[in-house]
Amino acid sequence: SYVLTQPPSVSVAPGQTARIPCEGNNIGSKNVHWYQQKPGQAPILVIRYDRDRPSGIPERFSGSNSGNPATLTISRVEVGDEADYYCQVWDRDSDNYVFGTGTQVTVL
Amino acid sequence: QVQLQVSGPGLVKPSETLSLTCAVSGVSIDTYSWNWIRQPPGKGLEWIGYSYYSGYAKYKPSLKSRVTISVDTSKNHFVLKLRSVTAADTAMYYCVSIKEGRSSIESWGQGTLVTVSS
Repeated sequence: SYVLTQPPSVSVAPGQTARIPCEGNNIGSKNVHWYQQKPGQAPILVIRYDRDRPSGIPERFSGSNSGNPATLTISRVEVGDEADYYCQVWDRDSDNYVFGTGTQVTVL
Repeated sequence: QVQLQVSGPGLVKPSETLSLTCAVSGVSIDTYSWNWIRQPPGKGLEWIGYSYYSGYAKYKPSLKSRVTISVDTSKNHFVLKLRSVTAADTAMYYCVSIKEGRSSIESWGQGTLVTVSS
């Protein structure tokens, strides 16, 4: 089955840039979506189709997927960005949806 | 805008069947795939499976033998049944819609916590 791997945690100082990688076999051929989940809340979509930002998501959030890994980038990090972040793809071969292992972002 | 409301018991005994219902509003149920996702306490997100109104369904292989997802077009809701539950099935359960295979999950419901315990 298809597997997406993320680092368990990323730490970043306020105002700096956080980069969250998502590794998977031939991930560049898939559409990667990213979700933010704060404690006690349901996830919300922050990036869809590799790099598209839904309405209401700050421009500080961006995505790329030109090969392994796909990456979520948070520029000018704020304390409010502290959350767990998950990448997700649809694996066409198995017709299964797959989530990454998740990355906890801590703002120092 | 799709709106989803999950309901069902918050406590299920080991070896019994977990059953959750997700009420759909704001869209016709014959459009999207209807999915269940869960998250054990302190752990990551796990896709369980989906069903279309036609009855076509797909499940995560490790859960396939215990899961059924069905769509009731007359009631505009879909149902998750997970049989022979154990403590490992304790989780927050979310119902979501996905437009097509490669699409993202645009909105999530509030989820419901199901605890498996005697």
